[in-house]
Amino acid sequence: DQQVKQNSPSLSVQEGRISILNCDYTNSMFDYFLWYKKYPAEGPTFLISISSIKDKNEDGRFTVFLNKSAKHLSLHIVPSQPGDSAVYFCAAGDTGANSKLTFGKGITLSVRP
Amino acid sequence: DSGVTQTPKHLITATGQRVTLRCSPRSGDLSVYWYQQSLDQGLQFLIQYYNGEERAKGNILERFSAQQFPDLHSELNLSSLELGDSALYFCASSAGLATYNEQFFGPGTRLTVL
Repeated sequence: DQQVKQNSPSLSVQEGRISILNCDYTNSMFDYFLWYKKYPAEGPTFLISISSIKDKNEDGRFTVFLNKSAKHLSLHIVPSQPGDSAVYFCAAGDTGANSKLTFGKGITLSVRP
Repeated sequence: DSGVTQTPKHLITATGQRVTLRCSPRSGDLSVYWYQQSLDQGLQFLIQYYNGEERAKGNILERFSAQQFPDLHSELNLSSLELGDSALYFCASSAGLATYNEQFFGPGTRLTVL
C-alpha cells in the first residue's frame, strides 16, 4: 500500500515557466513532509520541507504548499531553470518515536531551454 | 558532495551469494539510514541506526541485516541473494535521531544479481 503517491511520473516545462509537482498521501499521522531532488548517478539531496502546522514554506524559487484536508502537497518552482531537470521525491513522516520517512516513486522534471 | 561515502559503487554477483555494502556517514552524524531503490519504486526505507543502536526498521527482509560500528560507519549485509534484490542501495546520515532532520545521501551502490 503506497502511502505517498506521486501519480505523474514525468513533467516537462519551458524554461522560465512554473513547475508544479504534486504529491498525495494517505496516512493522516504524517505531520512533516520533505522534497528531495536527485540527479543521475548521485544520491538525493534535500530541497525543502514543511510541517503540518504550516500550509506554505518558501525558499528562494521553491515553495511547498500543504493542504491537510486533501492530504495533498505540491512543490512549485518559479522560474524553472534547465538545471532543475532531475527526479523529485516527495517524502512524509510522523514525529512519533522510531518513525521513518516514506518516499513516493518520484517525478522526472525536464525543463526545456 | 554530501560527505557520505559508500563502497563499492557497483557490485555484480550471482544468486545465492552474500554481499556487504559499506557506508561512512558525514563527520559528526550519529544516524545512518539504509534505503533500497528498485527499478520502478521510490526509495524504500530499510533500517536506521543511531550511535550504534538500531532505532527504526522498515521493509527489510530477514535475509538482510545491518550494523553500525563504534566509529559510526555502517554495513548492510545481503545474503541468499535473489534476482529481485538488484537495486540501488543508498545510505544516508543525519545529525540527530529524528527522521525529519535533513538526511544527507551517499551516491549509492548499484547491486546487480545475475
